[in-house]
Amino acid sequence: DTAVSQTPKYLVTQMGNDKSIKCEQNLGHDTMYWYKQDSKKFLKIMFSYNNKELIINETVPNRFSPKSPDKAHLNLHINSLELGDSAVYFCASSQDPGPETQYFGPGTRLLVL
Amino acid sequence: DQQVKQNSPSLSVQEGRISILNCDYTNSMFDYFLWYKKYPAEGPTFLISISSIKDKNEDGRFTVFLNKSAKHLSLHIVPSQPGDSAVYFCAASTGTASKLTFGTGTRLQVTL
Repeated sequence: DTAVSQTPKYLVTQMGNDKSIKCEQNLGHDTMYWYKQDSKKFLKIMFSYNNKELIINETVPNRFSPKSPDKAHLNLHINSLELGDSAVYFCASSQDPGPETQYFGPGTRLLVL
Repeated sequence: DQQVKQNSPSLSVQEGRISILNCDYTNSMFDYFLWYKKYPAEGPTFLISISSIKDKNEDGRFTVFLNKSAKHLSLHIVPSQPGDSAVYFCAASTGTASKLTFGTGTRLQVTL
């Protein structure tokens, strides 16, 4: 039973398309995150939600919109995909915000052609 | 500006020996540090953490040392095992923020 799951695992799409990545956690955590790992292997936070409320929003193009229908889910919608959006996107969760251990999903590999 | 740095992209160690992975940080506001292990095609997995009020934390074969004056931490794995072969990420956060700042990782290869 997977703690943090993401779908799809792989996503290949054309420039200009709109796509969504879904994330679900069954750990009962209150806080969820989206990270991006680019081609240089930098793992950087994009967003963080606590109990469905946005608490961290790094400098991310507004083509990226997170949506949290409930505290167990945090989906990432990307409009007008660009080549530079190609990366691995990781979802994570933790019990609370603050210095807490975060648990990561397996990642979604997005390739924009 | 990279606030968490892992200057060694790779490390090779013989099975049974000690592996030492290093991490430096520049932000003096960081007060909580974590190490994550990552296998290919998987997400990072939490390994061990340390708060800035401590200088050492041990969990089985894994020990993390923190030197606040040098802004340096290290992960010791003793004895190293082939299953430890993975990429190790150092991460840091401040007390009131949930944001983790990651290093670029060190690939550890444990050879037989």
